[in-house]
Amino acid sequence: AQSVTQPDIHITVSEGASLELRCNYSYGATPYLFWYVQSPGQGLQLLLKYFSGDTLVQGIKGFEAEFKRSQSSFNLRKPSVHWSDAAEYFCAVGFEAGANNLFFGTGTRLTVIP
Amino acid sequence: DVKVTQSSRYLVKRTGEKVFLECVQDMDHENMFWYRQDPGLGLRLIYFSYDVKMKEKGDIPEGYSVSREKKERFSLILESASTNQTSMYLCASSFTRGGGLTDTQYFGPGTRLTVL
Repeated sequence: AQSVTQPDIHITVSEGASLELRCNYSYGATPYLFWYVQSPGQGLQLLLKYFSGDTLVQGIKGFEAEFKRSQSSFNLRKPSVHWSDAAEYFCAVGFEAGANNLFFGTGTRLTVIP
Repeated sequence: DVKVTQSSRYLVKRTGEKVFLECVQDMDHENMFWYRQDPGLGLRLIYFSYDVKMKEKGDIPEGYSVSREKKERFSLILESASTNQTSMYLCASSFTRGGGLTDTQYFGPGTRLTVL
């Protein structure tokens, strides 16, 4: 069955440190991959997405993600975290071309220590 | 800027009440979506609509219905609210009918519904 997993429920990093948030999926073909961020009291905002082509994609707010087919992963990275990055991050996966359904992971809450 | 607004940020209702959650988008988007968000479960799709008066069930439609009488407005209806429908409800929209997963979904701020 198709699924998306975010193994880390909560991550704490110091301001200025690097960040990597993990996302794994289960699917036979290449899915459509997204990362969204939800700041406290806000809706979700798209950070970046991958459909095909270059496996390293750049997003907003200095984030990037890399698609690794061999590992069925789409991990989100940022080289230097800012206090304003504290939020909840959701990986989302679409499995069928033309469909509208996105499957969301359970989210990773990021805490940034000054 | 795309704007998706939801009628209430917080709502408290009693068991058995009929509840309406309203969502409006101002960017002439074709598709609109309703999700619920629960801790440890992420977002789950309740219903979506790709055209006026059209609707499609998502993953968890039981206990909910929707209405889309105008392109910009998508309503979620709880016919008889129950305590297990206490949750955060998020509305989203995307531009192109049939655009599918390549279309970015734009989210509203959410409505936190508590059913007592």
